[in-house]
Amino acid sequence: KNQVEQSPQSLIILEGKNCTLQCNYTVSPFSNLRWYKQDTGRGPVSLTIMTFSENTKSNGRYTATLDADTKQSSLHITASQLSDSASYICVVSDRGSTLGRLYFGRGTQLTVWP
Amino acid sequence: EADIYQTPRYLVIGTGKKITLECSQTMGHDKMYWYQQDPGMELHLIHYSYGVNSTEKGDLSSESTVSRIRTEHFPLTLESARPSHTSQYLCASTDRGDIQYFGAGTRLSVL
Repeated sequence: KNQVEQSPQSLIILEGKNCTLQCNYTVSPFSNLRWYKQDTGRGPVSLTIMTFSENTKSNGRYTATLDADTKQSSLHITASQLSDSASYICVVSDRGSTLGRLYFGRGTQLTVWP
Repeated sequence: EADIYQTPRYLVIGTGKKITLECSQTMGHDKMYWYQQDPGMELHLIHYSYGVNSTEKGDLSSESTVSRIRTEHFPLTLESARPSHTSQYLCASTDRGDIQYFGAGTRLSVL
């Protein structure tokens, strides 16, 4: 069964600290992996998208890594800010259909305290 | 900021009412989607469209219907709302680079 599992479910850190969020997936075949940021009451916003051949991709203070062999990805947030408080969603796309079906994780709820 | 808009943002209605959730995008994207998301849960695809006059049901069974008469417009309709339809509904579209852009969502409460 194609699944995307994220950990931890929730995380609280102090402003200025770094953190790493994890994503494990069993989706096969694999096309790409995306990380989204979803603020409370808003739609998700794309942070990064990585294909099979990409190991790392950065977007400002966000750095995503991908190990396609172990089917794991991580999102590292550097020097956290209060505005980083949000849910971070890992999404994996297969290439088994013309739709390029997306499998969503439940997200990690990050709270940054001052 | 993506140019994809959903209205209303919040809706509280009584059981049995017919409702239409609006979604419009000005980016000229062919592919559009509707997702349902409950608090703390993953997004579930309920409808999608490849273009004008193309609509398909998604993974999650839904009593809603959609239409795609114009590229920029992808409304979702519930003929008779029930409390079980209470949820957040997110509309999205995809560009040629396969980046998906989401609207702000409609939070629906059916009493």
